[in-house]
Amino acid sequence: DAKTTQPPSMDCAEGRAANLPCNHSTISGNEYVYWYRQIHSQGPQYIIHGLKNNETNEMASLIITEDRKSSTLILPHATLRDTAVYYCIVRSYNQGGKLIFGQGTELSVKP
Amino acid sequence: DAGVIQSPRHEVTEMGQEVTLRCKPISGHNSLFWYRQTMMRGLELLIYFNNNVPIDDSGMPEDRFSAKMPNASFSTLKIQPSEPRDSAVYFCASGELVTGGYGYTFGSGTRLTVV
Repeated sequence: DAKTTQPPSMDCAEGRAANLPCNHSTISGNEYVYWYRQIHSQGPQYIIHGLKNNETNEMASLIITEDRKSSTLILPHATLRDTAVYYCIVRSYNQGGKLIFGQGTELSVKP
Repeated sequence: DAGVIQSPRHEVTEMGQEVTLRCKPISGHNSLFWYRQTMMRGLELLIYFNNNVPIDDSGMPEDRFSAKMPNASFSTLKIQPSEPRDSAVYFCASGELVTGGYGYTFGSGTRLTVV
């Protein structure tokens, strides 16, 4: 699976949009981009995933660049409860479905 | 939907003892994963199953670790004998392996302390 690069930490003001970047320049055509988050002491939580089109659900939006070498997870109105470590993962369905977690971005939402 | 259920939530055991962690996946999910999380190494995939069959156990650290999935609704991770360096949070996750992937669901974890 392609490797991902994320900033180790970010801050965001409560109520503002949180934009979390992820670089995956070696992504191949059959690899999807997944985002998970882990709130302290809890199991990771699935947020969203996509292949090449932008995706939106009730939690977040995923913007994937046209060349698919990077993506941005957007939390439109961050709250204190969104403070967590966010993981960007690239995975190929053909490689068995396993998820390999990197170090992620620690997002701190501040009042 | 009760989600992925792991037991026990906390386990404290003495070095050398056998430890068994349990996981009940979400009904209908055909994939199950065991992860270990420590401050030093982050989240590590230990083993995963598709349709109750172990597919990749390359992450299992040593022969002291073993995992089974006797049926679609139950899996165990056993450590025998346990060592202090096995202290970690162990997560189980389940999901459906379909085209395009799926958002796997994680349990709340078992915090293991080996003294």
